[in-house]
Amino acid sequence: ETGVTQTPRHLVMGMTNKKSLKCEQHLGHNAMYWYKQSAKKPLELMFVYNFKEQTENNSVPSRFSPECPNSSHLFLHLHTLQPEDSALYLCASSVRGGFSGANVLTFGAGSRLTVL
Amino acid sequence: GQQVMQIPQYQHVQEGEDFTTYCNSSTTLSNIQWYKQRPGGHPVFLIQLVKSGEVKKQKRLTFQFGEAKKNSSLHITATQTTDVGTYFCAGAVYSGGGADGLTFGKGTHLIIQP
Repeated sequence: ETGVTQTPRHLVMGMTNKKSLKCEQHLGHNAMYWYKQSAKKPLELMFVYNFKEQTENNSVPSRFSPECPNSSHLFLHLHTLQPEDSALYLCASSVRGGFSGANVLTFGAGSRLTVL
Repeated sequence: GQQVMQIPQYQHVQEGEDFTTYCNSSTTLSNIQWYKQRPGGHPVFLIQLVKSGEVKKQKRLTFQFGEAKKNSSLHITATQTTDVGTYFCAGAVYSGGGADGLTFGKGTHLIIQP
């Protein structure tokens, strides 16, 4: 256990389905992140939340919709996805700030998504 | 936008040989971090380098941060089978009161032949 829990670990969905990925951190961190990891690209930052406020959205298609109800929980709502969206979706958390030791990411185990 | 290039993409070594991966950023970094991802696993933080020219060691692993804070390297001495995995560098650039998300390199896949 890393202190960051992601569910489900595996998800298969059709292109017309609506599903959600959940992330919960028990580390007292104030920032949470969604990253996408696919075979041919580096880890891609999707969204950043700092104290529940979204501070970054890296041109992610609207079929991905994040939600951060509090600083411990983060969701990624999925709808009308494409097969190319199949990837490992990693949640991470950190203490955010401009000091040494800040912004070190603790990752969850990931949710492996397959879109048929 | 900021880019972080990492080479090589793959490295095959015999067990006991040394291994090095290199990371270069298009912009000056506030700090650089290194992560390791085992096959089937998730990235795990190894170390953070902050100061220009900084060198840090963790047992057989040596991490360096360049003088210009734009490049970094990870060197493993006498690799072991437990070192197998993908090593990522990640650069941070502070803006305002805190850093944005890290920019990751593509990673170097270390494959060890016994």
